[in-house]
Amino acid sequence: SAVISQKPSRDICQRGTSLTIQCQVDSQVTMMFWYRQQPGQSLTLIATANQGSEATYESGFVIDKFPISRPNLTFSTLTVSNMSPEDSSIYLCSVVVRGLAKNIQYFGAGTRLSVL
Amino acid sequence: QQQVKQSPQSLIVQKGGISIINCAYENTAFDYFPWYQQFPGKGPALLIAIRPDVSEKKEGRFTISFNKSAKQFSLHIMDSQPGDSATYFCAASVLSSGAGSYQLTFGKGTKLSVIP
Repeated sequence: SAVISQKPSRDICQRGTSLTIQCQVDSQVTMMFWYRQQPGQSLTLIATANQGSEATYESGFVIDKFPISRPNLTFSTLTVSNMSPEDSSIYLCSVVVRGLAKNIQYFGAGTRLSVL
Repeated sequence: QQQVKQSPQSLIVQKGGISIINCAYENTAFDYFPWYQQFPGKGPALLIAIRPDVSEKKEGRFTISFNKSAKQFSLHIMDSQPGDSATYFCAASVLSSGAGSYQLTFGKGTKLSVIP
């Protein structure tokens, strides 16, 4: 299993500023993902952040807007840059723990971001 | 991303009743179908998952039924309890031995309310 801690749990930010979200995992994991979830909506993958390689962004998400760091196997950050009210959402960190017969994906509790 | 279509969007069930949530997928390469449960203020948590080599998997009160030819799978919650009230997401992926290729495609979610 994996326990994921995200900081901050919530924040209210002003338009034009940036927020860095931290994700700490209690075990070493290779595969890490960042998702966005609008309230009451499904999860949208922002990027895959595997240690040792550049983050891979999904369509509609760019590195300039959502820079990601992955300095080691237990930690990652996602920055939401030059924020606008449209960035108000829940941001979730997720990791995959590989097992003998299956992989299991775990999620953090999320960071609830409101942009004024 | 290939879609995973989930229905219904919301569901109200009496305590002790059966909750049924359905999902359909398009990508025949999908070979892993998990269900996630999300309580308010929490990240999604893996509930139960199935591979396409079996038609049914049961864990306690939770059962996945899988129909490969119809490209459909469903979650059944027997003897539904108020504590089961949450949002349920189906998902699908192509399991891979490669470190960077594990990616879940989520349905839009079903908000389940179990009333006493």
